[in-house]
Amino acid sequence: DVKVTQSSRYLVKRTGEKVFLECVQDMDHENMFWYRQDPGLGLRLIYFSYDVKMKEKGDIPEGYSVSREKKERFSLILESASTNQTSMYLCASSLRDYNSPLHFGNGTRLTVT
Amino acid sequence: SQQGEEDPQALSIQEGENATMNCSYKTSINNLQWYRQNSGRGLVHLILIRSNEREKHSGRLRVTLDTSKKSSSLLITASRAADTASYFCATEGYNNNDMRFGAGTRLTVKP
Repeated sequence: DVKVTQSSRYLVKRTGEKVFLECVQDMDHENMFWYRQDPGLGLRLIYFSYDVKMKEKGDIPEGYSVSREKKERFSLILESASTNQTSMYLCASSLRDYNSPLHFGNGTRLTVT
Repeated sequence: SQQGEEDPQALSIQEGENATMNCSYKTSINNLQWYRQNSGRGLVHLILIRSNEREKHSGRLRVTLDTSKKSSSLLITASRAADTASYFCATEGYNNNDMRFGAGTRLTVKP
């Protein structure tokens, strides 16, 4: 079974802090994704990566950056956390082939105070 | 922007009844997928239907796709309390496997 592991389940940070959310997958998937989930808005794509050192902006990349130095790890970085970035963050991975399902981690609930 | 939009936003039924959720989308797709999310957890893939397919079954799940109307439906037959969860449709386009999700349908199955 594919395992996608997010480093923290809950995280509380202060406004202005630099925040790192880490995601690791163990199935050699080429694609990795970061979504945020907010009530009534569903999942919104922040960034995705289809290869090491490659990244593509999703629908809401502002205020975020990503890093993919190794195939199995995809990091989401909040350069200067703000209260409107309080949310559930979900990482996912998939094979590069079309018609491959996403495998999700259990999410990180981030609160910025 | 959101690609899929689910309808209804919330659905409450009795155990044993069927549950139908709908999804509409806006642009051409390669496939449409349905996912389930238990409260506070990650999403789990349920079923995938390709753009050239019209109907697909998996256990108690039945998915239909109408590309002319840009819509899909998910039917859960003989529902159980354990089916209580949020259900999301997601569409995969033709560009770098990016997946777009809707806002989800919250299903409650009462025992």
